[in-house]
Amino acid sequence: DTGVSQNPRHKITKRGQNVTFRCDPISEHNRLYWYRQTLGQGPEFLTYFQNEAQLEKSRLLSDRFSAERPKGSFSTLEIQRTEQGDSAMYLCASSTGDNGYTFGSGTRLTVV
Amino acid sequence: GENVEQHPSTLSVQEGDSAVIKCTYSDSASNYFPWYKQELGKRPQLIIDIRSNVGEKKDQRIAVTLNKTAKHFSLHITETQPEDSAVYFCADARDMRFGAGTRLTVKP
Repeated sequence: DTGVSQNPRHKITKRGQNVTFRCDPISEHNRLYWYRQTLGQGPEFLTYFQNEAQLEKSRLLSDRFSAERPKGSFSTLEIQRTEQGDSAMYLCASSTGDNGYTFGSGTRLTVV
Repeated sequence: GENVEQHPSTLSVQEGDSAVIKCTYSDSASNYFPWYKQELGKRPQLIIDIRSNVGEKKDQRIAVTLNKTAKHFSLHITETQPEDSAVYFCADARDMRFGAGTRLTVKP
């Protein structure tokens, strides 16, 4: 296990297109988180899974955003009808219980 | 929602000096506070954490203190080195919220 893996590393898409990102957490971690980070800012919480259950969603997560973790392992984050304001680094992290996160390298989304 | 305030936003010190970064939180039930270091273009990495049952924790040149009554916690880096230069984030893990970050520059 080499840590948290995110794909793709970079994604350039045209406004209005849909995009999907994937996160593979550390295998024994039951918690998985999605954050968004823009330049010069801290990570902003988007959503959180414990096993396959999505337990919390930020109000930042509009109805264009959806996340799944179907078998409690990998997760996907989909953004529909992308807007320029969606351009950011999307970070995935995983943890066990109340312990520090291990972050993935992120997916950098650019909407043109 | 619950907030984490972090100060200062930028900090510049001479090599060998100490650096202190402070954070405040608002949720009285919060009980776990990790700190992350993010170098340019890289992922945030956990450097130290503290739980609410202790007031201080130290790991070599890095220490973290927690004041639950005042709802604030601080990161202390002693004998700073140029490789300490990075952005540091505090977090309230219970509420899954991060501070806005402190850009630390250590001048040789």
